Amino acid sequence: GENVEQHPSTLSVQEGDSAVIKCTYSDSASNYFPWYKQELGKRPQLIIDIRSNVGEKKDQRIAVTLNKTAKHFSLHITETQPEDSAVYFCAAPSPGSSYKLIFGSGTRLLVRP
Amino acid sequence: KAGVTQTPRYLIKTRGQQVTLSCSPISGHRSVSWYQQTPGQGLQFLFEYFSETQRNKGNFPGRFSGRQFSNSRSEMNVSTLELGDSALYLCASASTQNTEAFFGQGTRLTVV
Repeated sequence: GENVEQHPSTLSVQEGDSAVIKCTYSDSASNYFPWYKQELGKRPQLIIDIRSNVGEKKDQRIAVTLNKTAKHFSLHITETQPEDSAVYFCAAPSPGSSYKLIFGSGTRLLVRP
Repeated sequence: KAGVTQTPRYLIKTRGQQVTLSCSPISGHRSVSWYQQTPGQGLQFLFEYFSETQRNKGNFPGRFSGRQFSNSRSEMNVSTLELGDSALYLCASASTQNTEAFFGQGTRLTVV
């Protein structure tokens, strides 16, 4: 069935270091992979997404890589800052005619000043 | 343009009662999805509506239902509330598949 696994569940890094969060998905037909950031008490917000025809996408300090063969994708945050502290969710859509996102279990990132 | 709006923001209900939550999507978005967020289970898909039709439903009991109106606004209803229904209920709207889903701020439901 549809499944998205996310690791690690918690991640603590020193300010300025890099953070990497990894996700695997089960359905090889999935072709869109968004990453959401949720700060405490706030709504999830898209920070970056990638489509299956691209292997990597960057936006300033954030990058996402996709390996379709292995069915995994990763979020990379460089030069982390305290405001990067939040819960990050990866997701993959369930293929079909509806819009259904299957979310990973989330990674709580703590950036220590 | 206005974002996704959910009402109410907070709700306290008693076991056995029923509740209705509302979601107004971004103007022009016809797809509205609902998710339940709990600390232990993360973000779980409830259902998705498009042009007043439910296109997909998650693995939740029949006590959870929803509908969508002609203006794309959506409501979800939970009947015979249980303590385990306490959660943050989020709706998200999107224009088409495989594009950004915009989330509302959520309704925090507490069942006592």
